[in-house]
Amino acid sequence: AQSVTQPDIHITVSEGASLELRCNYSYGATPYLFWYVQSPGQGLQLLLKYFSGDTLVQGIKGFEAEFKRSQSSFNLRKPSVHWSDAAEYFCAVGARPAAGNKLTFGGGTRVLVKP
Amino acid sequence: DTEVTQTPKHLVMGMTNKKSLKCEQHMGHRAMYWYKQKAKKPPELMFVYSYEKLSINESVPSRFSPECPNSSLLNLHLHALQPEDSALYLCASKPSLARTPYNEQFFGPGTRLTVL
Repeated sequence: AQSVTQPDIHITVSEGASLELRCNYSYGATPYLFWYVQSPGQGLQLLLKYFSGDTLVQGIKGFEAEFKRSQSSFNLRKPSVHWSDAAEYFCAVGARPAAGNKLTFGGGTRVLVKP
Repeated sequence: DTEVTQTPKHLVMGMTNKKSLKCEQHMGHRAMYWYKQKAKKPPELMFVYSYEKLSINESVPSRFSPECPNSSLLNLHLHALQPEDSALYLCASKPSLARTPYNEQFFGPGTRLTVL
């Protein structure tokens, strides 16, 4: 069965500082990995996704993620955080069609940005 | 039009009420999803529709009844809910259940449901 772990429940970062969110996955085959962001009371917006190819993936809003198969990780990074980046971030792994392309999410990491 | 809309934004209902949540997309997507998200938790899949037919039911109680009347519309009918069913209900869509799930799911803003 697929699973995703986000070890950090909360992260506080100063505006302008760098940010790294950790994600570890368990999946029996080639993983389909996603990072979504959710602002309070809102739906989820896709930041970036990975299936194959270059292991460093660029996304929207200046985010990037690096896939490391040997560590079963897909960590999200941003070089310089803006106050508007305060939100909940979810890493997810996607399933095959027989499982409805179901997304299994990690527990989420809440990012707080200090001025 | 690249968005998924959901109505109502907020819903308060009693345990004996019958209500419905509505989700709509006009992106030509043929796979649609209902997720339930409790406070401070990740979304959990409830149902998957593919080409207007129910494809996946994640053992959801029968007090939740999904319906997909056409390719653009997805409903969730609610009856005899419990207070623990209070949550954010998210709808999502994607082009289809392709051989790879690489195409992302597009999420709506959700309906905040409170059961009294």
